[in-house]
Amino acid sequence: DTEVTQTPKHLVMGMTNKKSLKCEQHMGHRAMYWYKQKAKKPPELMFVYSYEKLSINESVPSRFSPECPNSSLLNLHLHALQPEDSALYLCASSHGRRSEAFFGQGTRLTVV
Amino acid sequence: LAKTTQPISMDSYEGQEVNITCSHNNIATNDYITWYQQFPSQGPRFIIQGYKTKVTNEVASLFIPADRKSSTLSLPRVSLSDTAVYYCLVGEGGSQGNLIFGKGTKLSVKP
Repeated sequence: DTEVTQTPKHLVMGMTNKKSLKCEQHMGHRAMYWYKQKAKKPPELMFVYSYEKLSINESVPSRFSPECPNSSLLNLHLHALQPEDSALYLCASSHGRRSEAFFGQGTRLTVV
Repeated sequence: LAKTTQPISMDSYEGQEVNITCSHNNIATNDYITWYQQFPSQGPRFIIQGYKTKVTNEVASLFIPADRKSSTLSLPRVSLSDTAVYYCLVGEGGSQGNLIFGKGTKLSVKP
């Protein structure tokens, strides 16, 4: 199994809603990532988890709250988002240093 | 982190060989060079990774000169389905969180 599964594929939420994005991998990877990608722009790193601990937070606003309940799961909790937060949110995982990263298909988020 | 510079876009025709060059003047001793391909509304997909000289797999070759300040991704005999954005990444990867994407190269393959 070389897949990273993200759910939901599409999400529309209001600015007062609370929602969560989920990411799952069963490759035994110990590094997991969240990215945000706007149209025609490169993926922008948000968070990195290493061995279930948050190791990098790229100055992401607190309305985005990551969580790593176990080595296979990564969540991104969303609260009080703004329309400019609408984007494709990508999850990735990798085994460790110098290993390739596997990306999910992303969640297309629209904030209304 | 080493910054990468790639051409914004390239055009090619089916059946041609395409070479995309990436500059990374500040590459560190421990850094590897990794290339990813991304289609619209999909996650990036790993293509190839190397440290020095030449690496080849079933889809591409990666050429890295001795000074490692640049690298060239070579796609043999491209097809229309190779139309995508190609990203060059430099870093240790993995838990070091060095999966930082530059602007990428938009490759358009025409019939």
